[in-house]
Amino acid sequence: GQNIDQPTEMTATEGAIVQINCTYQTSGFNGLFWYQQHAGEAPTFLSYNVLDGLEEKGRFSSFLSRSKGYSYLLLKELQMKDSASYLCAVRDNGNDYKLSFGAGTTVTVRA
Amino acid sequence: DVKVTQSSRYLVKRTGEKVFLECVQDMDHENMFWYRQDPGLGLRLIYFSYDVKMKEKGDIPEGYSVSREKKERFSLILESASTNQTSMYLCASSLMTGGRSPLHFGNGTRLTVT
Repeated sequence: GQNIDQPTEMTATEGAIVQINCTYQTSGFNGLFWYQQHAGEAPTFLSYNVLDGLEEKGRFSSFLSRSKGYSYLLLKELQMKDSASYLCAVRDNGNDYKLSFGAGTTVTVRA
Repeated sequence: DVKVTQSSRYLVKRTGEKVFLECVQDMDHENMFWYRQDPGLGLRLIYFSYDVKMKEKGDIPEGYSVSREKKERFSLILESASTNQTSMYLCASSLMTGGRSPLHFGNGTRLTVT
């Protein structure tokens, strides 16, 4: 199974940077996903990491260290529309279809 | 864009009722999933289907069953609804199993069992 931990809430100011950490303990590993979920809406895919290092996509970047069981999602130049819940999910290589999700981090962006 | 449509946004049912949650995807995806989402617990997998008429149990299948008679449609069935099944239910689909193929989610059905 998977234990996936991420902070419950974070608050930041518009224009700032926020880093959301995710740690996982797994019996296997075959990739890590980040999703964004606005209140009352469907989660939407943000990023995927399977190798160590940083993946950059516009204002959002995601980092992975497999040896440490650690990932972070970096949100730069925060905008009000970035207020949402951010979900970390890990794929188990024993069950290739299965994604195990963390409880999510609610980010509030203040003016 | 992939579209995953869940038939109801809100449902209120009584304890003991049989409940059907319907999900349709329009991108010919092989895989379809049902999750429930509860505060503080994240998304938990109920059932998964990788082909028509094929299904596998997820982490919390008890009290649920599923049906996949057509590739585009995946139904979640609560045989006898109970109050602990009050939750947000999310359907998802994916093109492939494994790799970087992400899940595409529907907007969810908020089910209340009274």
